[in-house]
Amino acid sequence: DAKTTQPPSMDCAEGRAANLPCNHSTISGNEYVYWYRQIHSQGPQYIIHGLKNNETNEMASLIITEDRKSSTLILPHATLRDTAVYYCIVRANTGGFKTIFGAGTRLFVKA
Amino acid sequence: DTAVSQTPKYLVTQMGNDKSIKCEQNLGHDTMYWYKQDSKKFLKIMFSYNNKELIINETVPNRFSPKSPDKAHLNLHINSLELGDSAVYFCASSQGYSGITTQYFGPGTRLLVL
Repeated sequence: DAKTTQPPSMDCAEGRAANLPCNHSTISGNEYVYWYRQIHSQGPQYIIHGLKNNETNEMASLIITEDRKSSTLILPHATLRDTAVYYCIVRANTGGFKTIFGAGTRLFVKA
Repeated sequence: DTAVSQTPKYLVTQMGNDKSIKCEQNLGHDTMYWYKQDSKKFLKIMFSYNNKELIINETVPNRFSPKSPDKAHLNLHINSLELGDSAVYFCASSQGYSGITTQYFGPGTRLLVL
């Protein structure tokens, strides 16, 4: 699976949009971009995933650049409960996979 | 209605002991996993079972032995516990194991070896 690079930490004001970037410059054509988050002392929680097109669900939006070398997770109206570590993962769509969560981005949502 | 549950939540034990962690999922998934999250917070896969068959076995000491009695359960038995085994262990499940599969994680088991 391709490697990802994320900033170690970010701050966001409550109610504002949180934009979390991820660099995956070595991504290959059959690899999906996944986002998970881990709220303190809990298991990772799935947020969203995509291949080429932008995706939106009830939790977030995922914007993938045209060359697919980077993506941005957008939490449109961040709340204090969104404070967590956010992991960007790239994963192939064939065969078994070995999901490895790196250091992620620690997002602090402040009142 | 906990989708993926683990027991115990906390486990404190002495070096050299043998312990087990249990995992159950009620999502009807056919694939289950064990992950280890170390002190640096990196989460690494240890094992994966699909329909009770082992499909992923990362470089894990053979003191760790997973057992899947059925598709809804994947237990982890650890022999001769060492200090370095202290970590948080997460169980997860998914339907299938291809890249477009979403994994659902349990709450974790915090293991402390003294």
